[in-house]
Amino acid sequence: EDQVTQSPEALRLQEGESSSLNCSYTVSGLRGLFWYRQDPGKGPEFLFTLYSAGEEKEKERLKATLTKKESFLHITAPKPEDSATYLCAVQAEGGFKTIFGAGTRLFVKA
Amino acid sequence: DTGVSQNPRHKITKRGQNVTFRCDPISEHNRLYWYRQTLGQGPEFLTYFQNEAQLEKSRLLSDRFSAERPKGSFSTLEIQRTEQGDSAMYLCASSNRGGTEAFFGQGTRLTVV
Repeated sequence: EDQVTQSPEALRLQEGESSSLNCSYTVSGLRGLFWYRQDPGKGPEFLFTLYSAGEEKEKERLKATLTKKESFLHITAPKPEDSATYLCAVQAEGGFKTIFGAGTRLFVKA
Repeated sequence: DTGVSQNPRHKITKRGQNVTFRCDPISEHNRLYWYRQTLGQGPEFLTYFQNEAQLEKSRLLSDRFSAERPKGSFSTLEIQRTEQGDSAMYLCASSNRGGTEAFFGQGTRLTVV
């Protein structure tokens, strides 16, 4: 069965302290792996789609990478406004059902 | 605002009552998804439409839940005979033909008392 596991559950960083979030997945043929940001009480906001192992994408202080079994979201020199829950999700080939992980709650302290 | 719109934003209902939520997707998007999210968890897939056709439905979805998308435009999600366990945030998302970049609405928060 398709599954997504994110770690850590929560991460506390000082402003400027770079780190990485992990997303491990099992899927029967990957159509795409997605990263979203979610602020409290709001819907998820799309960040990236990755399609194949070795692919990387960047947006401001965020960089997402993909291997055959996991994806990392690297956060460089984070700011307090980066505090949010980061969600990882996968879609399998042959359909558009999207499976989400439970997310990593990121807290960045000034 | 051309984003995904969900109404109402909040709904409080008594156990046993029926509720209906509406989602208006981004106009050119032909795919529409419904998810349920509880505190501390990621969104859980419920169902998805391509145009007016409901192509996939989670086996976790009981027969108390039904969704429609008449004419491939807006969609409604109805929950009959609500239970306390139905309390959650109900999220709608839409995507274009490529389907790999979905945009979410702000959700409808349901509280069953």
